Amino acid sequence: GEDVEQSLFLSVREGDSSVINCTYTDSSSTYLYWYKQEPGAGLQLLTYIFSNMDMKQDQRLTVLLNKKDKHLSLRIADTQTGDSAIYFCAESHTGGFKTIFGAGTRLFVKA
Amino acid sequence: GAVVSQHPSRVICKSGTSVKIECRSLDFQATTMFWYRQFPKQSLMLMATSNEGSKATYEQGVEKDKFLINHASLTLSTLTVTSAHPEDSSFYICSARDQGGATDTQYFGPGTRLTVL
Repeated sequence: GEDVEQSLFLSVREGDSSVINCTYTDSSSTYLYWYKQEPGAGLQLLTYIFSNMDMKQDQRLTVLLNKKDKHLSLRIADTQTGDSAIYFCAESHTGGFKTIFGAGTRLFVKA
Repeated sequence: GAVVSQHPSRVICKSGTSVKIECRSLDFQATTMFWYRQFPKQSLMLMATSNEGSKATYEQGVEKDKFLINHASLTLSTLTVTSAHPEDSSFYICSARDQGGATDTQYFGPGTRLTVL
């Protein structure tokens, strides 16, 4: 079945870059997403990438997609303490159709 | 981006009572909304897909008689947890599908924390 996996924890120093990795199993995924969740809050869509793209950059965020290896990564440049949150990788076949989420990576940013 | 609201944000109820949670898309029409459940420190689990004007589609293992979903308008879906028990305590998050723009995107509500005593 469909599965999305990510590492559970990442700790970085303020100002460094953070790289959060994700792997997925469904080769027919069309959209791949990164969501951010702060404590007690809902999910905030950070960015997404179409499966026919290799890279997408949006300000401090860079998404890399290796479709052959089914590997997705999110790089946050100049990580700030406000970036501390849980980051979820997700995939779906179409943009708004059933979305499968990874378990989330908890990012700790040390001052 | 588009806004999805949930009400209430937090609810505490006694065991055996029913609780209704509302999910509204505030600036777009959503023929499809989704209901998720999130346990502490875990990912989101899709419970059901709510389709405007028709019956919801439930994921395997989710009791449709316990989690009643009504999607009566293009901007509102409700989830009613019937005869709630402590094990129903969880964070419930809805999302709404926006197909009106250039991309087909899902927007999430802020979540509702349910505590059943």
